[in-house]
Amino acid sequence: NAGVMQNPRHLVRRRGQEARLRCSPMKGHSHVYWYRQLPEEGLKFMVYLQKENIIDESGMPKERFSAEFPKEGPSILRIQQVVRGDSAAYFCASSPLETQYFGPGTRLLVL
Amino acid sequence: AQTVTQSQPEMSVQEAETVTLSCTYDTSESDYYLFWYKQPPSRQMILVIRQEAYKQQNATENRFSVNFQKAAKSFSLKISDSQLGDAAMYFCAYRSAAGGGADGLTFGKGTHLIIQP
Repeated sequence: NAGVMQNPRHLVRRRGQEARLRCSPMKGHSHVYWYRQLPEEGLKFMVYLQKENIIDESGMPKERFSAEFPKEGPSILRIQQVVRGDSAAYFCASSPLETQYFGPGTRLLVL
Repeated sequence: AQTVTQSQPEMSVQEAETVTLSCTYDTSESDYYLFWYKQPPSRQMILVIRQEAYKQQNATENRFSVNFQKAAKSFSLKISDSQLGDAAMYFCAYRSAAGGGADGLTFGKGTHLIIQP
């Protein structure tokens, strides 16, 4: 059973561009979570999705950030008009219910 | 809101010795889950151990065990016979059991564990 897949692993964007981060959950997992990790910090919850539904987006910045988990295909975290402060590692996790399993993360660098 | 505190930014232990990492949390809930995750230099988050709050028995996974003190809201991780591969950041995490236990995790700031050969 393949683990949680994330791509790209590294992404470089210039200020003002858009960043799209993808996450494919483990087979059989219907819950997807996105977290952000700033340097020297723990992970901060951003959003929790199930297929075609956003369940909890309480940790998501109100502007420029959006997430989706369509019926077919991976979950997407989209950051519009990136700024330097968006530089971080973004982790996706999936779970059947209680325990979350993490992907390898996407390191976003905004120049 | 729940908070998780790891008061040790860094710990060092000799190879083959035992080390304990501290974690305390604050919650008004009675049912929840606690986790320890390991993040090696590769940055991958790896589940180490999990504890359900309703279980009194401390969880154990090979060389890793926890000391769960519910009244004190304490959840420490003990690593026995430390190995070089244990060197990593260790994060304590909390998750509510409300809503079926599917909420996001709340993480502590982490403890950097150094293994001295």
